[in-house]
Formats: sequence, structure tokens, C-alpha cells
Amino acid sequence: GESVGLHLPTLSVQEGDNSIINCAYSNSASDYFIWYKQESGKGPQFIIDIRSNMDKRQGQRVTVLLNKTVKHLSLQIAATQPGDSAVYFCAENGQAGGYNKLIFGAGTRLAVHP
Amino acid sequence: DTEVTQTPKHLVMGMTNKKSLKCEQHMGHRAMYWYKQKAKKPPELMFVYSYEKLSINESVPSRFSPECPNSSLLNLHLHALQPEDSALYLCASKQSLGEINNEQFFGPGTRLTVL
Repeated sequence: GESVGLHLPTLSVQEGDNSIINCAYSNSASDYFIWYKQESGKGPQFIIDIRSNMDKRQGQRVTVLLNKTVKHLSLQIAATQPGDSAVYFCAENGQAGGYNKLIFGAGTRLAVHP
Repeated sequence: DTEVTQTPKHLVMGMTNKKSLKCEQHMGHRAMYWYKQKAKKPPELMFVYSYEKLSINESVPSRFSPECPNSSLLNLHLHALQPEDSALYLCASKQSLGEINNEQFFGPGTRLTVL
């Protein structure tokens, strides 16, 4: 079946370091992927997305890499700051009843230490 | 206006109560979603409305009853809930259901506690 999972449930980094959060997906037909950030007590917040016809996309301090060969997605955060502490979810577009729906990974907690 | 709002922020209810959760967006989005999120878990899809019609029901128990009165509003009516229904209920919206390459915007959620 379809699934999206993460290699590391918790990631601890020092402030100023770069962070890398990984995600594996199983549906090779997936063509759109999103990273969301969820802070405590809040809803998921869109960070960055990538389409399957790309292998890299950059935003402000964030980069998403897509490796379709091994069905792997990663989120890189440069110069990690305390405000980056949150749970990060990858999600892919899947199918349900003929419609698109988001399939979320399990989530990775990022803890940034001063 | 690029946000999804939800009320109330917190709700405590007994198992015999009837309550409603509300969601609103003014981005002109035609797809609206309800998700349930338990602690330390990803959001789980419950319902999807497209152009005010229910398009997806992910086998949700009938004690949860969604309603889409118009293109900007989405309600979730709650009746005879169980303590295990305690969770964060998230609303989301998207330009349209058929569009693949655009994101869903999430609201802040309603933290529901069933006693």
C-alpha cells in the first residue's frame, strides 16, 4: 500500500547548524510532495513543495531534495534557529476514491539547542 | 486574507453533549477538509468537501457529522462522542480538489476533550 515514513523520529541540533530531515515514500507514482512545520498547539504550516519533475527546490533557508530513484525526500534547514523547533511532516499526494488526498509521514521532531 | 480560522480554540464536552466546530476561509478555495490529529501523530483525513458537496468520507463514525453551508464555511457537528475522540481537529482548504500541485492551508485547530 501507499505509505510515507520518516527515518528519524527526533533530531537534536545546535543553533546555527544545518538540519536535515529525511522522508521515504513508497508510491513511485506520487508527483507532488510537501513539507509542513507544526509548532506546539498550532496547525501545520506549509514550508515548501516540490513536483516530481524536479529534484531540488530552494526557499528561504530551506531546500527540499527529491530522489525518485530511491523514493526519498529530504528537507534541509540552513543555520537552524530556536524558532525552527517543531514537528516536521512530509506529505505526498495520494488517491482516495478517485480524488487526491495528502498522505502524511509519521513526523520528525526537531529540537534546536542554544 | 490567506488564513483558515477555526472556533472554538478549545472545547470540553461530555459524552451526551452536542457541540459544533466551525471553520472559515475567504481565499475562494473550493475544497475544504476536516482532519483529526492525536498527540504525536500526523493528521488523519476525515472528510473532504468539494464545491460544497461531500466528496470523501474516510469511514468516519456517524457521531461526527460534517456540513458545508457555503463555500467559505465548514462545520463539524459532534454528538455522543467517546473519550477516545479527544484530539486536535484541523480544518484545511485548497484551491480545488482536482488540483494536484498546490498546497492545503491549515487552520490552528480545535483542541477537543471528551469527558
